[in-house]
Amino acid sequence: AQSVTQPDIHITVSEGASLELRCNYSYGATPYLFWYVQSPGQGLQLLLKYFSGDTLVQGIKGFEAEFKRSQSSFNLRKPSVHWSDAAEYFCAVGPHQAGTALIFGKGTTLSVSS
Amino acid sequence: DVKVTQSSRYLVKRTGEKVFLECVQDMDHENMFWYRQDPGLGLRLIYFSYDVKMKEKGDIPEGYSVSREKKERFSLILESASTNQTSMYLCASIDNNSGANVLTFGAGSRLTVL
Repeated sequence: AQSVTQPDIHITVSEGASLELRCNYSYGATPYLFWYVQSPGQGLQLLLKYFSGDTLVQGIKGFEAEFKRSQSSFNLRKPSVHWSDAAEYFCAVGPHQAGTALIFGKGTTLSVSS
Repeated sequence: DVKVTQSSRYLVKRTGEKVFLECVQDMDHENMFWYRQDPGLGLRLIYFSYDVKMKEKGDIPEGYSVSREKKERFSLILESASTNQTSMYLCASIDNNSGANVLTFGAGSRLTVL
């Protein structure tokens, strides 16, 4: 079955520390991969996406993610977290077929301590 | 930028009421989606539509119906609201011609059923 697993429900990091949010997927073929962020009371905003090519992708707000086919992972990283990064983060996968729905993980809530 | 507008940000309804959640997108996207978001469960697909008057069930369609009479508008209907439908509802749309499955989300409609 197709699925996305985000192992960490809640993570707390200190402001200025590095961040890594984990995402593992189960999919029949190489999927499209996404990270979305949701600030409190808001909809989801796309952070970055991977379709093909370079396995290290850069996104908005200083985030990056690395696709590792052998590990079926697409972990999100940021070298230095800011207090404004506190939000919920969702990893998602979808097929190489335009217009289809994405499968989302259950999300990781990031808290930033000062 | 694509804009997806959910007209009702917060609703409070009573058990048994009929509820309409409206979603409008302004970029002529073919496909539109309704997701439900609950803590610890992530986003789950309720229904989607790939054209006017066309609809497909998602993972959790029970208790819901949809309507798409115009390309820009996709409505989610709760025929008889129940307390277990208290949730955040997210609408999204996608451009079939972009070659990429990038969903654009609305800000969400938080529904409370008493």
